[in-house]
Amino acid sequence: QQQVKQSPQSLIVQKGGISIINCAYENTAFDYFPWYQQFPGKGPALLIAIRPDVSEKKEGRFTISFNKSAKQFSLHIMDSQPGDSATYFCAAYVGRGAQKLVFGQGTRLTINP
Amino acid sequence: GAVVSQHPSRVICKSGTSVKIECRSLDFQATTMFWYRQFPKQSLMLMATSNEGSKATYEQGVEKDKFLINHASLTLSTLTVTSAHPEDSSFYICSARAQFNYGYTFGSGTRLTVV
Repeated sequence: QQQVKQSPQSLIVQKGGISIINCAYENTAFDYFPWYQQFPGKGPALLIAIRPDVSEKKEGRFTISFNKSAKQFSLHIMDSQPGDSATYFCAAYVGRGAQKLVFGQGTRLTINP
Repeated sequence: GAVVSQHPSRVICKSGTSVKIECRSLDFQATTMFWYRQFPKQSLMLMATSNEGSKATYEQGVEKDKFLINHASLTLSTLTVTSAHPEDSSFYICSARAQFNYGYTFGSGTRLTVV
């Protein structure tokens, strides 16, 4: 019930295309859903996050879509650029207290020029 | 914004020696910090939760005597890999959350190589 399942494992998108990464969770107590971007040899960096009372959040080219009834959320990267090539992790946690982040398995995104 | 500084970024040590990794919250106080281990092409695996002024809570399967965690102040947590062996070679990452702030901030990671 603590798992967050992420797909696909790897994704190749042409420059200018839309990259879509999906995640699903079981624990309905989760109330905060961040996405992290990680470049090789670096720690993850927070990209964008959403709470379950919102169905969509957009920041620049990055959009999170959230479906509470289906317990699914996804990251859309519009106009994907080679600089977006990285590993992306979805995550979830319960906001109250110092709760553990539960990570998805990660998606290695490659944007071809 | 919240910044977490982690040092060293890379370390090579001989088998049998100990290595200490530091994690500092630079502009906020962190009563709780987290230590992760990441193998190539895999997700982050939580090793332990570090609580200021008290013992760390280790995840199942993590040897607390091998991975010593100390959280002596609200801005510093350390992870010491004792009697390191080649199988301990990995990427170690810490994270912290500023009080009353929902976001978790990660350090830049430490690449440990045991030879």
